[in-house]
Parts: sequence; structure tokens; C-alpha cells
Amino acid sequence: EAGVAQSPRYKIIEKRQSVAFWCNPISGHATLYWYQQILGQGPKLLIQFQNNGVVDDSQLPKDRFSAERLKGVDSTLKIQPAKLEDSAVYLCASSPAGTLGGYTFGSGTRLTVV
Amino acid sequence: AQTVTQSQPEMSVQEAETVTLSCTYDTSESDYYLFWYKQPPSRQMILVIRQEAYKQQNATENRFSVNFQKAAKSFSLKISDSQLGDAAMYFCAYRSLINTGTASKLTFGTGTRLQVTL
Repeated sequence: EAGVAQSPRYKIIEKRQSVAFWCNPISGHATLYWYQQILGQGPKLLIQFQNNGVVDDSQLPKDRFSAERLKGVDSTLKIQPAKLEDSAVYLCASSPAGTLGGYTFGSGTRLTVV
Repeated sequence: AQTVTQSQPEMSVQEAETVTLSCTYDTSESDYYLFWYKQPPSRQMILVIRQEAYKQQNATENRFSVNFQKAAKSFSLKISDSQLGDAAMYFCAYRSLINTGTASKLTFGTGTRLQVTL
């Protein structure tokens, strides 16, 4: 079974530029999560999708962050414009609907804003 | 809201020895899941062990075991016979037993960096 795919692996941008991250979850996984992991901290949920609908985006800074999951499969997270404090690892995870327990995580995208 | 606290930013253990990583949490729920995840430099979160709060028996996975104290809201991870490959960040995480909506998200602690020395 293929894992959760994320790209790019690394990205360096200047502040006020825009950036997009892509995630392809495990086939058949209905739930998709985007987490932000700032250096020295644990991952924090940004947004959760169930199929192509948003379940929770309460921690997403909506003035600059946006995310979509068209057709309920892969997802894109965008930041525009980026700030220095957005430097972090962005992790994508997925799980089957109705599951109780673990998730499968991707390897993340490390974003550096200079 | 639930919170997870890991008070040990770094720990060190010699190869073949035993180490215990601490985790406490706060919740008003009576049923939930607790997890330990390992994050190596590759950044991918790897599930180490899982504990269901309604089970009194502590979970065990090979060299990894937990000490789950529900009343104290404590969930420590013991790694026996430590190996060089165990070196990584370890995160404690909480998940509600409710499987709908926002309750299925994971709430993480700040992590403990484990070093394994020869």
C-alpha cells in the first residue's frame, strides 16, 4: 500500500510570497488532515476534511491560508502572503472513515520563509 | 479542550539500557485513545504504541510498553533494550473516542528528543 505522498519536500520563499503544498492520501481514506509543526513544538491541526467537505478549520489563519480537497482525493494547502512565522513543517495525514486509532502521515514539507 | 504535556525536552539513554518518557494530559472525557508517535529526521510520524483508556491493561509492543495511570492522567512510554535506531523525537498524543467531526483529530504534546549513546 502506498503511503501518504507530499510535495515539495523543502521550500524556501521570501516573506509576502505565496506557496502551495500538495498531499495525496492513501487510496480510499476519507479523512485528510493538515498539521503545522513549528520547530520545538508538536503538530497542530490546521484543517480537517471528510471527503471533500471541511470538518474543522478553526485553527486555520483564513486571512492567508486556504486549502481545498477537490473530488475528495488529493489536497492543496496554500499560503498567501507568507510571513516569517509560517516557517514550519506542514504534515499531511489521512485515515479511513469510521476508524478508531492511528493515522498515516506523510513526510511533510519543510517551509522556510526568509 | 484537551491538552497534552511532555515535560522532558530531551532525554539520553545508553544502548541496551531502559528509558522512560513522561506524558500527562488533561481531559474531561472518560473514554479516549492515547498514542506515542516517533518522528525520525525523515519527519514522518510513525505510530509506536496505542492505549485505549477503557482498557486497564497497559499496552505493549515488543520493546515498547506504557504505564497508563488514568486517575493521574499520566501516560509514560518505556523503551527497553534501547537501540541506536530509537533515537528520534517522541510525541505523546490524545484522541477522543468519539469518531465524528472534530473529535477525530490528534492533540500532540511538545515532544521529547531521545538520544541513544554507545
